[in-house]
Amino acid sequence: GENVEQHPSTLSVQEGDSAVIKCTYSDSASNYFPWYKQELGKRPQLIIDIRSNVGEKKDQRIAVTLNKTAKHFSLHITETQPEDSAVYFCAAGGGAGNMLTFGGGTRLMVKP
Amino acid sequence: NAGVTQTPKFRVLKTGQSMTLLCAQDMNHEYMYWYRQDPGMGLRLIHYSVGEGTTAKGEVPDGYNVSRLKKQNFLLGLESAAPSQTSVYFCASSPLSNTGELFFGEGSRLTVL
Repeated sequence: GENVEQHPSTLSVQEGDSAVIKCTYSDSASNYFPWYKQELGKRPQLIIDIRSNVGEKKDQRIAVTLNKTAKHFSLHITETQPEDSAVYFCAAGGGAGNMLTFGGGTRLMVKP
Repeated sequence: NAGVTQTPKFRVLKTGQSMTLLCAQDMNHEYMYWYRQDPGMGLRLIHYSVGEGTTAKGEVPDGYNVSRLKKQNFLLGLESAAPSQTSVYFCASSPLSNTGELFFGEGSRLTVL
């Protein structure tokens, strides 16, 4: 089955700096790569996603890049703000049943 | 429109007791899932369903059973709870159109003593 590795497990940045979280996956059949944000005590919520026919996608301060050949994808957050502090999860999968395998999560802390 | 609702939100069990977590969605989604979340391990898929009357095993199915008798409901059962099942459980649903997005419930925190 699919295996997703996520790094780093914790990330601390100053407000205004950029943050990058990286994930690798193992199953070349995966074609959908979402990123979820989970605030403390809350449910995970989708913030951005990318499909295998696209190399990069941007939404305001958030961007995701995908390298299918190397089987890795990354989340980039620019001009970080304290409200970006949360745990971020990458996932890989798609296909029948829309099954997703999640990475272990990255705790992002943005210091004011 | 409530989305995905889980009950109960919190539960404490003794080893060997049984219980059922209920997930209900009002978005007419075909797919439903049960995940467990443990520190540093992300979300791991327990069981899932691609439609009413169907269920399948996920990554960590042992010790759990599920049923999907109605399209809107997905039940997760623990027949004989063990301390290793202490976790936060999330239900999620997804539409048949396969946009990919999972819609999560608020989570259920289970402690097994």
